[in-house]
Amino acid sequence: DTGVSQDPRHKITKRGQNVTFRCDPISEHNRLYWYRQTLGQGPEFLTYFQNEAQLEKSRLLSDRFSAERPKGSFSTLEIQRTEQGDSAMYLCASSSPDRDPIEKLFFGSGTQLSVL
Amino acid sequence: SQQGEEDPQALSIQEGENATMNCSYKTSINNLQWYRQNSGRGLVHLILIRSNEREKHSGRLRVTLDTSKKSSSLLITASRAADTASYFCATDDKIIFGKGTRLHILP
Repeated sequence: DTGVSQDPRHKITKRGQNVTFRCDPISEHNRLYWYRQTLGQGPEFLTYFQNEAQLEKSRLLSDRFSAERPKGSFSTLEIQRTEQGDSAMYLCASSSPDRDPIEKLFFGSGTQLSVL
Repeated sequence: SQQGEEDPQALSIQEGENATMNCSYKTSINNLQWYRQNSGRGLVHLILIRSNEREKHSGRLRVTLDTSKKSSSLLITASRAADTASYFCATDDKIIFGKGTRLHILP
């Protein structure tokens, strides 16, 4: 499977715990995005990377959230001291604007986070 | 803030009928894309229209773009049960998505 993969698919945690999600983009894609989506809403942009550089972060991304892409390949999104309001689907997407001048996103299936 | 806003928020039609959903956006764009999302899954790219295009077709999909009104429409012809999903538009400005149109095809 050469698509975008996310792990885990589901995560249940208690309030106050830390969680980490992983995203493996399509191998030749140099751009990687994180989105958060709650029920009945569209995906909300969180942050994106160009290779290993984090180029933009949304104001939605509080200090409890941190994302990394250390070698320009896979990425991790960590949430510290989780709150019930963090419950959502976390989506990762990748693209290759260098190869495709019209940027088109390829999404993973997401990680569903439930904070109890 | 969201760049694209879809309308209607929800739409139910009989199988075989055509479905039309609209998207409005705020700033100038180079292109606009439509994505589909099945329940509990990631989004899938459907079709892209550039700012210098007015209409584009792909199979049963037809997209129009009116840059003067800052709006786009997606038409799905001869709908099928498998078209039941949420549909989102996204502009090229940071790939921001709207809230989507939830389409339900009735058997």
